[in-house]
Amino acid sequence: DTAVSQTPKYLVTQMGNDKSIKCEQNLGHDTMYWYKQDSKKFLKIMFSYNNKELIINETVPNRFSPKSPDKAHLNLHINSLELGDSAVYFCASSQGEWNTGELFFGEGSRLTVL
Amino acid sequence: GQNIDQPTEMTATEGAIVQINCTYQTSGFNGLFWYQQHAGEAPTFLSYNVLDGLEEKGRFSSFLSRSKGYSYLLLKELQMKDSASYLCAVVDSNYQLIWGAGTKLIIKP
Repeated sequence: DTAVSQTPKYLVTQMGNDKSIKCEQNLGHDTMYWYKQDSKKFLKIMFSYNNKELIINETVPNRFSPKSPDKAHLNLHINSLELGDSAVYFCASSQGEWNTGELFFGEGSRLTVL
Repeated sequence: GQNIDQPTEMTATEGAIVQINCTYQTSGFNGLFWYQQHAGEAPTFLSYNVLDGLEEKGRFSSFLSRSKGYSYLLLKELQMKDSASYLCAVVDSNYQLIWGAGTKLIIKP
């Protein structure tokens, strides 16, 4: 029973398209995150969200938007995809307030923009 | 600015011991994490240090010196499956998690 699951695992699309990646956690955690890992393997926080507050990394283009229908889900929507958006996107969750506990990561969604 | 430094790559022999260092300069400190990431997979939690000293967990140990802004991850009795990237991450005073670029560890028979 997967703790943090995200779909799809692989996504290949054309520039200019809009796509979404879904994430669900069944751990009962309070906080969820979206990370981007580029080809150099550097993990970059994009969004942190709990039931009280959304924190957006100011360097993230507004083409990216998180949507949380409930505490167990944090989906990522991307408009007008660009070549530089190609990366692996990881969803994660943790107990309590942000970054006070270990992160549980989903398996990642590899996005390729052509 | 905030900075985490780790060696880019290390090589070690199966059965040996390896120490992966991490130095940090951050605005405040609220803990340090080590994660393991195998190629093509998600990072998984290894350890968390918030007080000075050594935390041992099986073959893996993690050490912290807050005054020196320094941590290391010690891996004993290396196995081939330990080939992975090891990520150091520090929680700053605003509870932001600052990540290092990771150390790729290659284990040779």
